[in-house]
Amino acid sequence: GNSVTQMEGPVTLSEEAFLTINCTYTATGYPSLFWYVQYPGEGLQLLLKATKADDKGSNKGFEATYRKETTSFHLEKGSVQVSDSAVYFCALTVLQGAQKLVFGQGTRLTINP
Amino acid sequence: GAGVSQSPSNKVTEKGKDVELRCDPISGHTALYWYRQSLGQGLEFLIYFQGNSAPDKSGLPSDRFSAERTGGSVSTLTIQRTQQEDSAVYLCASSLRSSVETQYFGPGTRLLVL
Repeated sequence: GNSVTQMEGPVTLSEEAFLTINCTYTATGYPSLFWYVQYPGEGLQLLLKATKADDKGSNKGFEATYRKETTSFHLEKGSVQVSDSAVYFCALTVLQGAQKLVFGQGTRLTINP
Repeated sequence: GAGVSQSPSNKVTEKGKDVELRCDPISGHTALYWYRQSLGQGLEFLIYFQGNSAPDKSGLPSDRFSAERTGGSVSTLTIQRTQQEDSAVYLCASSLRSSVETQYFGPGTRLLVL
């Protein structure tokens, strides 16, 4: 089956620190990969995505590269800000079979000034 | 333009009662999804609608849960004989055609079953 495993949180960093949130997946078929973010009091929104191997998704200073050989899609940011505090979800979907997003368990990130 | 809207934003009900949750997708989006977000289970897929095709109900946890989508637009998720374990945030999302495209999420309906 399809599944996503995320780095367990919560993660607490200081402003301007380097961020990595690990995400690995298992999938039958060729998945598309996503990072969604949920800011406090807000709904889920797409942060970035990649649809094929070696693609790099990027947005708001965040990046993630689709690594087929290691079945990973780690989220990185070079210098985090207090406003990045949120819950981050890694997710996948495949065109074949059930049309749905399969989410990781989420990682709560807190950035201290 | 308008995003995905859901109503009510909060619902408190008593165990055993039926509830209806509504979702208005983005205009022109043919794909609509329901998910559930709960503390113990994370984010779970419930049901998927694509145009006029039969829905994919593979994520519905029991036969107390049902959903319909009228006219290819608005969707209603119905939970019959609610149980305390149904307490969760119910999220609706829509995408242009398929799940490999960006899914846009509504703000959710927070359901509390007493």
